Amino acid sequence: DSGVTQTPKHLITATGQRVTLRCSPRSGDLSVYWYQQSLDQGLQFLIQYYNGEERAKGNILERFSAQQFPDLHSELNLSSLELGDSALYFCASSVSADTQYFGPGTRLTVL
Amino acid sequence: GIQVEQSPPDLILQEGANSTLRCNFSDSVNNLQWFHQNPWGQLINLFYIPSGTKQNGRLSATTVATERYSLLYISSSQTTDSGVYFCAVASNFGNEKLTFGTGTRLTIIP
Repeated sequence: DSGVTQTPKHLITATGQRVTLRCSPRSGDLSVYWYQQSLDQGLQFLIQYYNGEERAKGNILERFSAQQFPDLHSELNLSSLELGDSALYFCASSVSADTQYFGPGTRLTVL
Repeated sequence: GIQVEQSPPDLILQEGANSTLRCNFSDSVNNLQWFHQNPWGQLINLFYIPSGTKQNGRLSATTVATERYSLLYISSSQTTDSGVYFCAVASNFGNEKLTFGTGTRLTIIP
């Protein structure tokens, strides 16, 4: 158990819908990272938050957004969903710029 | 951006065998992690090893930063070692984001 929690574990939805994925980092970790794992793109960095502020952005679509709240949990919002958004979404946390600990992931299926 | 290559892409071994997985990267790094993704999809941290050598039970890893490669050694393989092994790095010249290799799929046959 990495100490990072993600909810829900599985999400099945339809094209055009909007979903929210939630992540709680390890106690004391200020950085939260979101990654997407798909069959065609592999594991890719989406976005990083540090203590409530966006710190880095990767290959995140404009239809996707994220935020980190004062209690340090983070949410990833995916809207106007397409079939290609089906993937495993991971959240990771770290206390500094070293080991990132990954949560169990949320498996999103868009039908 | 930084490139990460892992080899071999697939490895099938008998239980009890030893294996070496390789990760090459194209730039200086300040973070290198090895992960095991189990059949349920969970990413398990194995090592944080931007340089040097570490050991944890049957697993060990070595990173030669000056030559831009890392090796993961698995000894006396067990069926529970099956899964995909990923190397991920963060460049010295970028932010803290991890760039992942495409992984090595390890299958241990009883």
